[in-house]
Amino acid sequence: GEDVEQSLFLSVREGDSSVINCTYTDSSSTYLYWYKQEPGAGLQLLTYIFSNMDMKQDQRLTVLLNKKDKHLSLRIADTQTGDSAIYFCAESKTKAAGNKLTFGGGTRVLVKP
Amino acid sequence: DTAVSQTPKYLVTQMGNDKSIKCEQNLGHDTMYWYKQDSKKFLKIMFSYNNKELIINETVPNRFSPKSPDKAHLNLHINSLELGDSAVYFCASSLRTSGGGGTQYFGPGTRLTVL
Repeated sequence: GEDVEQSLFLSVREGDSSVINCTYTDSSSTYLYWYKQEPGAGLQLLTYIFSNMDMKQDQRLTVLLNKKDKHLSLRIADTQTGDSAIYFCAESKTKAAGNKLTFGGGTRVLVKP
Repeated sequence: DTAVSQTPKYLVTQMGNDKSIKCEQNLGHDTMYWYKQDSKKFLKIMFSYNNKELIINETVPNRFSPKSPDKAHLNLHINSLELGDSAVYFCASSLRTSGGGGTQYFGPGTRLTVL
């Protein structure tokens, strides 16, 4: 089945690290993505990881993938107030499935000064 | 400089009307998509076109008809609008439908309100 789940809400103090978690059920997922949505805006691609990788780092962002447990996480180092947004994880499948993205419900991150 | 653009940004209309939302990408991508985001922020794919050919058609009422006049454009026409069609509609594009080229880039969204 296709199911991607995320916790609803995360509150973090400015300067701390944030960790947003995501679980998925479909082991045929090929790529996993993190998108950021600020209020009234579209989805901004943050980063992605191929399913045969364990970790990917991109400046303040670290993505960890545990394929055995079907668990994906996004760590944001030195969280800033501008990081307040909704974060979506998404999985895509093979070309045969038309590359559709299945999204989690989003995690609303609130950064307190 | 715009990558994926949508018009209009806001659309307010009465039940029963017919409306269209336009999407254009200047990234040279082959594949374009429409997603719907409901009031709870849940995102779900509706359609996908690759080189003007329909490749994904999720369970969407046939009042919704996508049209791709060329690779750079994917428009969404909605007939007989219903209250439940109120949502934010996002267009996206990707270079291809697989591999790293399958990464999707989203437009700013069109907020549709049906009264």
